[in-house]
Amino acid sequence: SYVLTQPPSVSLAPGKTARITCGGINIRTKSVHWYQQKPGQAPVLVIYFDTDRPSGIPERFSGSNSGNTATLTISRVEAGDEADYYCQVWDTNSDHPYVFGTGTKVTVL
Amino acid sequence: EVQLVESGGGVVRPGGSLRLSCAASGFTFDDYAMGWVRQAPGKGLEWVSSINRNSDNAGYVDSVKGRFTISRDNAKTSLYLQMDSLRDEDTAFYYCARVFSGSSPGFDWWGQGTLVTVSS
Repeated sequence: SYVLTQPPSVSLAPGKTARITCGGINIRTKSVHWYQQKPGQAPVLVIYFDTDRPSGIPERFSGSNSGNTATLTISRVEAGDEADYYCQVWDTNSDHPYVFGTGTKVTVL
Repeated sequence: EVQLVESGGGVVRPGGSLRLSCAASGFTFDDYAMGWVRQAPGKGLEWVSSINRNSDNAGYVDSVKGRFTISRDNAKTSLYLQMDSLRDEDTAFYYCARVFSGSSPGFDWWGQGTLVTVSS
């Protein structure tokens, strides 16, 4: 089945730019969705179809997808952005179609 | 406002059964496929099962096939997960989620989750 690999953690100071990667074979051929999960809360969709933002998600959140890596970028990071982030794709040729990445913990120093 | 409210979690012994429910509101329920996603304590997200709008197609992760059954009642705008022959490794928060369709489906709304603990 398709595998998505994320770095376990990213740490940065407030105001900096966080880039969270999601690696997968030829991921550029798939549409990637990103979820934010704060401690003790349910996941929230922050980016869908690689680059689109749901209503209510700040413009500071953006996405890209190229080659074997998709990236979630959080500009001007704030303390409130501290959370786990998961990428997800639909694996068409699988009976296990909803594939999640391993997750990345973003810590704001 | 879309709302998904899970219930039915609890503590159960290995080999036991539980039925999770998810009450949906704020949207036209039978316009959407629905799914269950779980998260073991301290671990990542794992898709468990999903069902299409009219219940004629459902899928399961391999580890629960033959033990879990997903269903829905569009008249009651509710989603269910019947969990039988539970194992220690089924211990997790279980989230009900609405599927957004297209070429690459995902989950655009999530419930707050219900905790299932399988322990002797």
